[in-house]
Amino acid sequence: DAKTTQPPSMDCAEGRAANLPCNHSTISGNEYVYWYRQIHSQGPQYIIHGLKNNETNEMASLIITEDRKSSTLILPHATLRDTAVYYCIVRADNTNAGKSTFGDGTTLTVKP
Amino acid sequence: GAVVSQHPSWVICKSGTSVKIECRSLDFQATTMFWYRQFPKQSLMLMATSNEGSKATYEQGVEKDKFLINHASLTLSTLTVTSAHPEDSSFYICSGGPYGYTFGSGTRLTVV
Repeated sequence: DAKTTQPPSMDCAEGRAANLPCNHSTISGNEYVYWYRQIHSQGPQYIIHGLKNNETNEMASLIITEDRKSSTLILPHATLRDTAVYYCIVRADNTNAGKSTFGDGTTLTVKP
Repeated sequence: GAVVSQHPSWVICKSGTSVKIECRSLDFQATTMFWYRQFPKQSLMLMATSNEGSKATYEQGVEKDKFLINHASLTLSTLTVTSAHPEDSSFYICSGGPYGYTFGSGTRLTVV
């Protein structure tokens, strides 16, 4: 699995968009970008994933650069409950794809 | 969506005893599940891959005789920490489901 690099921490004002970057310059052509978050003392929660096109769901948007070497997770209107550690993971999307390599993630703190 | 139920959510045991953690797939058949360990202020580390009907695959450095994994049915994988010691105190998390992106709620193990 390709390695990812994320800033260790970010702050965001409540109600504003939170943009979390991730670098994955060694990503392979068959590898997807996955985003999870972990609220303190809970299991990780799946947010979104994508291959090369931008993706959007009810939780967030994922913007992947054309060269696929980086991506940005966007929480459009951050709330206090979005305070968590956000993990960007790159892996091939197959039946064994649950084997994930977690980096250190970004601690997002949403402030009132 | 896929739901993974993990029990217990927390357990305290005496040093030298064994503790069993269960991970159940509630609405899907899990031929493969994954076990992670997370120490305080650290990221998740994959411990092993649990395979239904066959032996688990352990990551380098994980003692298979200490962390016994059983995956006897398509809905249940268990992790038994044998002869637990205080250094085994950690947060243990399982994952499964399509592409493995559903995580359990985690088990906080404290060995005293």
